[in-house]
Amino acid sequence: DIQMTQSPSSLSASVGDRVTITCRASQSINSYLNWYQQKPGKAPKLLIYSASSLQSGVPSRFSGSGSETDFTLTISSLQPEDFATYYCQQSYTTPWTFGHGTKVEIK
Amino acid sequence: QVQLQQWGAGLLKPSETLSLTCAVYGGSFNGYYWSWIRQSPDKGLEWIGEINHSASANYNPSLKSRVTISVGTSKNQFSLKLNSVTAADTAVYYCARVAWYRWFDSWGQGTLVTVSS
Repeated sequence: DIQMTQSPSSLSASVGDRVTITCRASQSINSYLNWYQQKPGKAPKLLIYSASSLQSGVPSRFSGSGSETDFTLTISSLQPEDFATYYCQQSYTTPWTFGHGTKVEIK
Repeated sequence: QVQLQQWGAGLLKPSETLSLTCAVYGGSFNGYYWSWIRQSPDKGLEWIGEINHSASANYNPSLKSRVTISVGTSKNQFSLKLNSVTAADTAVYYCARVAWYRWFDSWGQGTLVTVSS
């Protein structure tokens, strides 16, 4: 299985901050990398697919970049509703696998 | 806009069979794969398997021996069966639509399944 490693596991930030979350794959996955946001008690929500494509309806402050093994999710200006846990997922080969999440907390 | 609604038993005893169903509303069932994913504190998000309208299924090898995903007899439904459950199968189970290159773009509300004697 392809292992997905996210860093950091948690971070504290303030409203308006620029936040960057990293995801590393255990082997090359081209650009088959997706990002999700999850709030407590809710299902994950797709933010970014194919490494850098913004899902319809997702604010433009979210962006994704990277290829091969190293990927980044950036929130350009953190908003109160962005405090949540973020997951990456590879869709290069089965079994599809997820990172263990990055929890974004209020500083 | 597609909506997924899921249901099934939430409390099981060890060795019983987990059974969940997911209904798809407001979108096409054909042309997509449909997945089950579970989430636990220990293992995080874990993909269980997927199926399309033609009943072509793929499973996570780690669960394959115990899992069956099927297309429902009722239109626009699919189901999950996981047999011989143990406490390690305690998790929130989600159904999800699989889009294009295997990202999950719509999710059910989740069902907490607890395995306890």
